[in-house]
Amino acid sequence: KNQVEQSPQSLIILEGKNCTLQCNYTVSPFSNLRWYKQDTGRGPVSLTIMTFSENTKSNGRYTATLDADTKQSSLHITASQLSDSASYICVVSDRGSTLGRLYFGRGTQLTVWP
Amino acid sequence: EADIYQTPRYLVIGTGKKITLECSQTMGHDKMYWYQQDPGMELHLIHYSYGVNSTEKGDLSSESTVSRIRTEHFPLTLESARPSHTSQYLCASSDPPNRIANTGELFFGEGSRLTVL
Repeated sequence: KNQVEQSPQSLIILEGKNCTLQCNYTVSPFSNLRWYKQDTGRGPVSLTIMTFSENTKSNGRYTATLDADTKQSSLHITASQLSDSASYICVVSDRGSTLGRLYFGRGTQLTVWP
Repeated sequence: EADIYQTPRYLVIGTGKKITLECSQTMGHDKMYWYQQDPGMELHLIHYSYGVNSTEKGDLSSESTVSRIRTEHFPLTLESARPSHTSQYLCASSDPPNRIANTGELFFGEGSRLTVL
């Protein structure tokens, strides 16, 4: 069964600290993995997209890694800011069809305290 | 900044009412989607469209219906709302598949939070 599991479910850190969020997936055949940031009451916004040939991609203070062999990804946030408080969602796409089925994780709720 | 808009952002209605959630995008995308999201849960696809006059049901069974008469509009309708329909509804569109992503980049609206009393 194709699944996407994220950990931890929630995380509280102090402003300025770094943190790492995890995503494990069983989706096959794999096409790409995306990380989204969703502020409370808003729609998700894309942070990164990675294919199986990419093992790291950065977007400002956000760095995503991908290990297609172990089917794991991580999102590292450097020097956290209050505005980083949000839910971070991992999404994996298969390549079994032209539409590309998307599998969503439940997200990690990050809270940054001053 | 994504050019995809949803209205209303918040709606509180009584049981049995008919409601339509509007979604429009100005990016000329052919593919559009409706997702349902409950707190702490993953997004579930309830409807999608490949283009004008094309609509398909998603993975999550839904009593809602959609239409795609124009490329830019993808409204979702509930003929008779019930408390079980209380949820956040997210509309999205995607640009054409490319070398990186076979589904293209996915752009979401701000969501419509529906509460049925």
